[in-house]
Amino acid sequence: AQSVAQPEDQVNVAEGNPLTVKCTYSVSGNPYLFWYVQYPNRGLQFLLKYITGDNLVKGSYGFEAEFNKSQTSFHLKKPSALVSDSALYFCAVRAYSGNTGKLIFGQGTTLQVKP
Amino acid sequence: GAVVSQHPSWVICKSGTSVKIECRSLDFQATTMFWYRQFPKQSLMLMATSNEGSKATYEQGVEKDKFLINHASLTLSTLTVTSAHPEDSSFYICSARRGSGRSTYEQYFGPGTRLTVT
Repeated sequence: AQSVAQPEDQVNVAEGNPLTVKCTYSVSGNPYLFWYVQYPNRGLQFLLKYITGDNLVKGSYGFEAEFNKSQTSFHLKKPSALVSDSALYFCAVRAYSGNTGKLIFGQGTTLQVKP
Repeated sequence: GAVVSQHPSWVICKSGTSVKIECRSLDFQATTMFWYRQFPKQSLMLMATSNEGSKATYEQGVEKDKFLINHASLTLSTLTVTSAHPEDSSFYICSARRGSGRSTYEQYFGPGTRLTVT
């Protein structure tokens, strides 16, 4: 079965410090991986994706993620956190059933950046 | 580009009534649309996948007769919660994707609809 795991319910970091939000996946075939952010009572905003190519993917708002095939991980990172980065973050993998792909989401990680 | 809207953004209805939620792709044609349900501080649960002009494919455990999905055009999908009950109260999020098959990657999400059933 295809799945995504985010092992941390919450990550706390001080403003200006680097942040990492962890994600591991299980999927048959080549993984298509995504990170989304959600602010309270809002829909999801796309941050970045890995389809193929360079393992280090750069996305919106200074975020980046590193695809590690051997560890089946796709951790989200940012060199210097901002208070405004505080939100709920979801990792997702694209799963295929026939020719139809659907996103499977992790359980989400709340990022709290303190001033 | 790639904006998805939902209407209404929030709705309160009485138990036993039905409520319709609209999802529109504003600047692109969405071959496939998805409906998700999200409980507070939890992940998104996929309810169904709909392709324009065909019947929706529901995930296991989702009642087809209770959550009616119509994808009548390439820019509009609707979710109707029939005979709503308090346990149907939730945040419903739609998502749309251009094209089909393995060459399309991104899903664009609507802002969500907060449904409260009293």
